[in-house]
Amino acid sequence: SQKIEQNSEALNIQEGKTATLTCNYTNYSPAYLQWYRQDPGRGPVFLLLIRENEKEKRKERLKVTFDTTLKQSLFHITASQPADSATYLCALDSSASKIIFGSGTRLSIRP
Amino acid sequence: GAVVSQHPSRVICKSGTSVKIECRSLDFQATTMFWYRQFPKQSLMLMATSNEGSKATYEQGVEKDKFLINHASLTLSTLTVTSAHPEDSSFYICSALNQLAGGGTDTQYFGPGTRLTVL
Repeated sequence: SQKIEQNSEALNIQEGKTATLTCNYTNYSPAYLQWYRQDPGRGPVFLLLIRENEKEKRKERLKVTFDTTLKQSLFHITASQPADSATYLCALDSSASKIIFGSGTRLSIRP
Repeated sequence: GAVVSQHPSRVICKSGTSVKIECRSLDFQATTMFWYRQFPKQSLMLMATSNEGSKATYEQGVEKDKFLINHASLTLSTLTVTSAHPEDSSFYICSALNQLAGGGTDTQYFGPGTRLTVL
């Protein structure tokens, strides 16, 4: 069956460290993968998109990797700050512009 | 740019009544919008794809007669929860597809969500 798994439900990181979140998928062949941030009671906010032919994408303190052989994407936040605390969702395209979301990782950055 | 609004942000209604939620793309036209629902500490589950000028496409297990979708213009889609029951209480989120010029990858922009509570 098709699955998208974010294997950490919650992650606690000391401020200043690098947070690394994992997204694995099975039985999909996505053309791209996206990462979103969601704060409590709010809709997701788009952060980064990485295509299947890209290995790495960066945006300020964010870095995403995409390994189509391992069927995995890693999402890194460097120099993490308490304001980075949120739930982070990975999502991939399934068909007809539909995207399917993982269950999310709740990231907490402690001062 | 690429702002999507939802109205209302919160609604409380009695069991058996109908509730309409609006989703608007404020600064771009969206031929396609999506409706999701999200239960606490769970991910977003796609309910239906709303296409301007045509019938919505519903995901398996979603009752089209209960969740009525109308996408009458390029900037507005509505979701009506008919004869709402307590189990319909959830966080409903819409998104609008912003199709990039030149055949690039489409990006969905999400609304802030609507918290529905059915008593």
